[in-house]
Amino acid sequence: AQSVAQPEDQVNVAEGNPLTVKCTYSVSGNPYLFWYVQYPNRGLQFLLKYITGDNLVKGSYGFEAEFNKSQTSFHLKKPSALVSDSALYFCAVRDNTDKLIFGTGTRLQVFP
Amino acid sequence: SQTIHQWPATLVQPVGSPLSLECTVEGTSNPNLYWYRQAAGRGLQLLFYSVGIGQISSEVPQNLSASRPQDRQFILSSKKLLLSDSSFYLCAWRPTGLPGGTEAFFGQGTRLTVV
Repeated sequence: AQSVAQPEDQVNVAEGNPLTVKCTYSVSGNPYLFWYVQYPNRGLQFLLKYITGDNLVKGSYGFEAEFNKSQTSFHLKKPSALVSDSALYFCAVRDNTDKLIFGTGTRLQVFP
Repeated sequence: SQTIHQWPATLVQPVGSPLSLECTVEGTSNPNLYWYRQAAGRGLQLLFYSVGIGQISSEVPQNLSASRPQDRQFILSSKKLLLSDSSFYLCAWRPTGLPGGTEAFFGQGTRLTVV
Protein backbone atom coordinates (compact mmCIF):
# COMPACT_ATOMS: atom_id res chain seq x y z
CA ALA A 1 0.00 0.00 0.00
CA GLN A 2 1.19 3.48 -0.73
CA SER A 3 2.04 5.96 2.01
CA VAL A 4 3.35 9.48 2.42
CA ALA A 5 5.40 10.99 5.22
CA GLN A 6 5.81 14.66 6.00
CA PRO A 7 8.31 14.64 8.86
CA GLU A 8 7.89 18.27 9.91
CA ASP A 9 4.74 19.49 11.61
CA GLN A 10 5.81 23.09 11.08
CA VAL A 11 8.42 24.96 9.09
CA ASN A 12 9.35 28.52 10.02
CA VAL A 13 11.16 30.78 7.58
CA ALA A 14 11.82 34.49 7.25
CA GLU A 15 10.33 36.34 4.32
CA GLY A 16 12.73 36.44 1.39
CA ASN A 17 14.56 33.30 2.45
CA PRO A 18 14.29 30.01 0.58
CA LEU A 19 11.93 27.39 1.93
CA THR A 20 11.77 23.60 1.78
CA VAL A 21 8.91 21.39 2.89
CA LYS A 22 9.86 17.73 2.99
CA CYS A 23 7.97 14.71 1.72
CA THR A 24 8.91 11.06 1.34
CA TYR A 25 6.75 8.36 -0.13
CA SER A 26 6.35 4.64 -0.46
CA VAL A 27 4.59 3.09 -3.42
CA SER A 28 4.85 0.03 -5.57
CA GLY A 29 5.51 0.86 -9.17
CA ASN A 30 5.84 4.35 -10.57
CA PRO A 31 4.50 7.08 -8.32
CA TYR A 32 2.32 10.02 -9.18
CA LEU A 33 3.20 12.76 -6.70
CA PHE A 34 1.33 15.96 -5.86
CA TRP A 35 1.56 19.00 -3.66
CA TYR A 36 -1.49 20.90 -2.41
CA VAL A 37 -1.95 23.98 -0.24
CA GLN A 38 -4.80 24.67 2.17
CA TYR A 39 -5.86 27.98 3.67
CA PRO A 40 -8.00 28.03 6.86
CA ASN A 41 -11.42 26.44 6.52
CA ARG A 42 -11.01 25.91 2.79
CA GLY A 43 -10.55 23.02 0.42
CA LEU A 44 -7.18 22.05 -0.98
CA GLN A 45 -5.65 23.83 -3.95
CA PHE A 46 -3.39 22.00 -6.36
CA LEU A 47 0.17 23.36 -6.64
CA LEU A 48 2.15 20.94 -8.80
CA LYS A 49 2.68 17.33 -9.75
CA TYR A 50 5.31 14.86 -10.87
CA ILE A 51 4.29 12.24 -13.38
CA THR A 52 7.41 11.45 -15.38
CA GLY A 53 10.30 13.20 -17.04
CA ASP A 54 12.26 16.09 -15.57
CA ASN A 55 12.89 15.63 -11.87
CA LEU A 56 12.34 19.33 -11.16
CA VAL A 57 8.75 20.37 -11.64
CA LYS A 58 7.45 23.92 -11.46
CA GLY A 59 4.03 24.87 -10.23
CA SER A 60 1.83 27.71 -9.11
CA TYR A 61 2.92 30.78 -7.11
CA GLY A 62 6.64 30.20 -7.74
CA PHE A 63 6.75 26.81 -6.06
CA GLU A 64 8.76 23.90 -7.40
CA ALA A 65 9.48 20.37 -6.28
CA GLU A 66 12.29 17.96 -6.84
CA PHE A 67 11.64 14.28 -7.39
CA ASN A 68 14.40 11.99 -6.13
CA LYS A 69 13.75 8.36 -6.93
CA SER A 70 16.67 6.92 -4.98
CA GLN A 71 15.62 8.76 -1.82
CA THR A 72 11.89 8.38 -2.56
CA SER A 73 11.43 12.05 -1.85
CA PHE A 74 9.47 14.90 -3.38
CA HIS A 75 10.40 18.06 -1.47
CA LEU A 76 8.58 21.31 -2.10
CA LYS A 77 10.75 24.40 -2.55
CA LYS A 78 10.54 28.10 -3.21
CA PRO A 79 13.54 30.39 -3.70
CA SER A 80 12.06 33.36 -1.83
CA ALA A 81 9.24 32.96 0.68
CA LEU A 82 6.37 35.42 1.06
CA VAL A 83 4.27 36.04 4.16
CA SER A 84 1.25 35.09 2.04
CA ASP A 85 2.74 31.60 1.55
CA SER A 86 1.86 30.83 5.17
CA ALA A 87 -0.57 27.91 5.00
CA LEU A 88 -0.88 24.16 5.41
CA TYR A 89 0.87 22.10 2.75
CA PHE A 90 0.08 18.53 1.82
CA CYS A 91 2.03 15.99 -0.17
CA ALA A 92 0.06 13.20 -1.85
CA VAL A 93 0.82 10.04 -3.78
CA ARG A 94 -1.13 7.82 -6.11
CA ASP A 95 0.02 4.59 -7.67
CA ASN A 96 -1.67 2.83 -10.56
CA THR A 97 -4.83 2.38 -8.53
CA ASP A 98 -7.34 5.12 -7.91
CA LYS A 99 -6.47 5.76 -4.28
CA LEU A 100 -5.00 9.16 -3.52
CA ILE A 101 -3.21 9.22 -0.17
CA PHE A 102 -2.15 12.37 1.65
CA GLY A 103 0.53 13.09 4.20
CA THR A 104 -0.22 14.61 7.59
CA GLY A 105 0.51 18.12 6.41
CA THR A 106 3.17 20.70 7.23
CA ARG A 107 2.31 24.14 8.48
CA LEU A 108 4.46 26.78 6.84
CA GLN A 109 4.89 30.00 8.76
CA VAL A 110 6.67 32.85 6.99
CA PHE A 111 7.68 35.71 9.26
CA PRO A 112 8.05 39.29 8.02
CA SER B 1 -15.23 24.03 -17.25
CA GLN B 2 -15.57 21.59 -14.42
CA THR B 3 -16.79 22.58 -10.99
CA ILE B 4 -17.43 20.76 -7.75
CA HIS B 5 -20.16 21.68 -5.31
CA GLN B 6 -20.18 20.54 -1.74
CA TRP B 7 -22.84 21.48 0.78
CA PRO B 8 -23.61 22.55 3.36
CA ALA B 9 -20.55 24.58 4.34
CA THR B 10 -21.27 24.20 8.03
CA LEU B 11 -23.54 21.88 9.93
CA VAL B 12 -24.39 21.40 13.59
CA GLN B 13 -26.16 18.15 14.41
CA PRO B 14 -27.15 16.47 17.68
CA VAL B 15 -25.68 13.15 18.69
CA GLY B 16 -27.72 10.27 17.32
CA SER B 17 -29.16 12.22 14.42
CA PRO B 18 -28.66 11.16 10.78
CA LEU B 19 -26.26 12.82 8.37
CA SER B 20 -26.26 13.44 4.66
CA LEU B 21 -23.54 15.45 2.94
CA GLU B 22 -23.77 15.88 -0.79
CA CYS B 23 -21.14 16.48 -3.42
CA THR B 24 -21.77 17.00 -7.12
CA VAL B 25 -19.45 17.60 -10.04
CA GLU B 26 -20.34 19.47 -13.20
CA GLY B 27 -18.72 19.55 -16.61
CA THR B 28 -17.27 16.06 -16.69
CA SER B 29 -18.40 12.47 -16.86
CA ASN B 30 -17.38 9.31 -15.03
CA PRO B 31 -15.08 11.07 -12.56
CA ASN B 32 -13.35 9.32 -9.69
CA LEU B 33 -14.89 10.66 -6.49
CA TYR B 34 -13.42 10.83 -2.99
CA TRP B 35 -14.52 11.65 0.56
CA TYR B 36 -11.85 12.71 3.05
CA ARG B 37 -12.00 13.70 6.70
CA GLN B 38 -9.66 16.21 8.25
CA ALA B 39 -9.41 16.51 12.02
CA ALA B 40 -8.16 19.68 13.71
CA GLY B 41 -6.68 21.18 10.54
CA ARG B 42 -4.23 18.37 10.01
CA GLY B 43 -3.90 15.30 7.85
CA LEU B 44 -6.50 14.05 5.41
CA GLN B 45 -7.92 10.61 6.02
CA LEU B 46 -9.37 8.89 2.96
CA LEU B 47 -12.82 7.59 3.88
CA PHE B 48 -14.34 6.40 0.60
CA TYR B 49 -13.62 6.53 -3.08
CA SER B 50 -15.66 5.60 -6.11
CA VAL B 51 -14.71 4.77 -9.68
CA GLY B 52 -18.28 4.50 -10.96
CA ILE B 53 -21.98 4.47 -10.13
CA GLY B 54 -22.66 2.12 -7.25
CA GLN B 55 -18.96 1.29 -6.85
CA ILE B 56 -17.73 2.35 -3.42
CA SER B 57 -14.44 1.44 -1.76
CA SER B 58 -14.30 1.93 1.99
CA GLU B 59 -10.96 2.69 3.53
CA VAL B 60 -11.77 2.99 7.21
CA PRO B 61 -14.48 1.07 9.10
CA GLN B 62 -16.56 3.57 10.99
CA ASN B 63 -19.94 5.11 11.56
CA LEU B 64 -20.19 6.46 8.02
CA SER B 65 -21.25 5.19 4.61
CA ALA B 66 -21.11 6.54 1.09
CA SER B 67 -23.25 6.17 -1.99
CA ARG B 68 -23.03 7.19 -5.61
CA PRO B 69 -26.55 7.16 -7.00
CA GLN B 70 -25.65 9.13 -10.12
CA ASP B 71 -22.47 9.52 -12.14
CA ARG B 72 -21.53 12.89 -10.69
CA GLN B 73 -23.11 12.69 -7.26
CA PHE B 74 -21.38 11.38 -4.14
CA ILE B 75 -23.15 11.28 -0.78
CA LEU B 76 -21.69 10.75 2.68
CA SER B 77 -24.15 9.45 5.25
CA SER B 78 -24.57 8.29 8.77
CA LYS B 79 -27.60 6.77 10.50
CA LYS B 80 -26.57 7.97 13.95
CA LEU B 81 -23.90 10.58 14.50
CA LEU B 82 -21.32 10.30 17.26
CA LEU B 83 -19.46 13.12 18.93
CA SER B 84 -16.28 11.76 17.34
CA ASP B 85 -17.76 12.41 13.88
CA SER B 86 -17.15 16.13 14.36
CA SER B 87 -14.65 17.06 11.69
CA PHE B 88 -14.03 18.85 8.41
CA TYR B 89 -15.22 16.73 5.47
CA LEU B 90 -13.84 17.23 1.99
CA CYS B 91 -15.08 15.89 -1.32
CA ALA B 92 -12.79 15.63 -4.33
CA TRP B 93 -12.96 14.46 -7.93
CA ARG B 94 -10.40 13.33 -10.45
CA PRO B 95 -10.87 13.04 -14.20
CA THR B 96 -10.62 9.63 -15.81
CA GLY B 97 -9.90 8.57 -19.35
CA LEU B 98 -6.68 10.59 -19.31
CA PRO B 99 -3.08 9.60 -18.62
CA GLY B 100 -2.80 8.49 -15.01
CA GLY B 101 -1.20 11.57 -13.55
CA THR B 102 -4.20 13.82 -13.31
CA GLU B 103 -4.64 15.71 -10.10
CA ALA B 104 -7.73 15.78 -7.91
CA PHE B 105 -9.88 18.85 -7.38
CA PHE B 106 -11.45 19.62 -4.02
CA GLY B 107 -14.68 21.12 -2.84
CA GLN B 108 -14.72 23.80 -0.17
CA GLY B 109 -15.49 21.37 2.61
CA THR B 110 -18.18 20.91 5.26
CA ARG B 111 -17.48 21.71 8.88
CA LEU B 112 -19.56 19.23 10.90
CA THR B 113 -20.03 19.74 14.62
CA VAL B 114 -21.88 17.07 16.56
CA VAL B 115 -23.29 18.35 19.85
